[in-house]
Amino acid sequence: DTAVSQTPKYLVTQMGNDKSIKCEQNLGHDTMYWYKQDSKKFLKIMFSYNNKELIINETVPNRFSPKSPDKAHLNLHINSLELGDSAVYFCASSQVGGNSEAFFGQGTRLTVV
Amino acid sequence: GESVGLHLPTLSVQEGDNSIINCAYSNSASDYFIWYKQESGKGPQFIIDIRSNMDKRQGQRVTVLLNKTVKHLSLQIAATQPGDSAVYFCAENLSGSARQLTFGSGTQLTVLP
Repeated sequence: DTAVSQTPKYLVTQMGNDKSIKCEQNLGHDTMYWYKQDSKKFLKIMFSYNNKELIINETVPNRFSPKSPDKAHLNLHINSLELGDSAVYFCASSQVGGNSEAFFGQGTRLTVV
Repeated sequence: GESVGLHLPTLSVQEGDNSIINCAYSNSASDYFIWYKQESGKGPQFIIDIRSNMDKRQGQRVTVLLNKTVKHLSLQIAATQPGDSAVYFCAENLSGSARQLTFGSGTQLTVLP
């Protein structure tokens, strides 16, 4: 069973379009995250949700809107896509209430053309 | 072989040699540290972690050393194998209500036959 799964794995779209990436975790974790990895492999946190509530929102354009229908799901919707949004987006989850590792999905490679 | 993390993002070692990957972390209040391995096309995968009340922790073929005085973390891989070729990230976790992992820039390890 996949612990953190995100779809799609690849996404190619034109500038100006709106797209969504879905993420689900079956680990029973309370906290979920979205990270963005650029072409130099740098990983930067975008959002963090704890029990469906937003707890971290880094300086991300408001074209990016996370949605958490329940604590096992955290989807990322992106409006008016721009060339600079091209990156690999990773969903992750972790337990809260103690230091613990984050488990990552396999990533979604977004290419905006 | 050794890397200096941020300043030498690539490290090449001969198969069978030991590897040392270094990381300088940013926040003296961080109390939990993780090393991740990311293979091409995959998400980061947990290798080993260490808490701030320890200075050394060993796993299978891997050892993490923590020097809080100089805010330095290292990952030692014994008898490096071709399957160890990947990008390695250190991550720090600042305790508190807004739990998040802050990642270093990563080091590409290449194992030469």
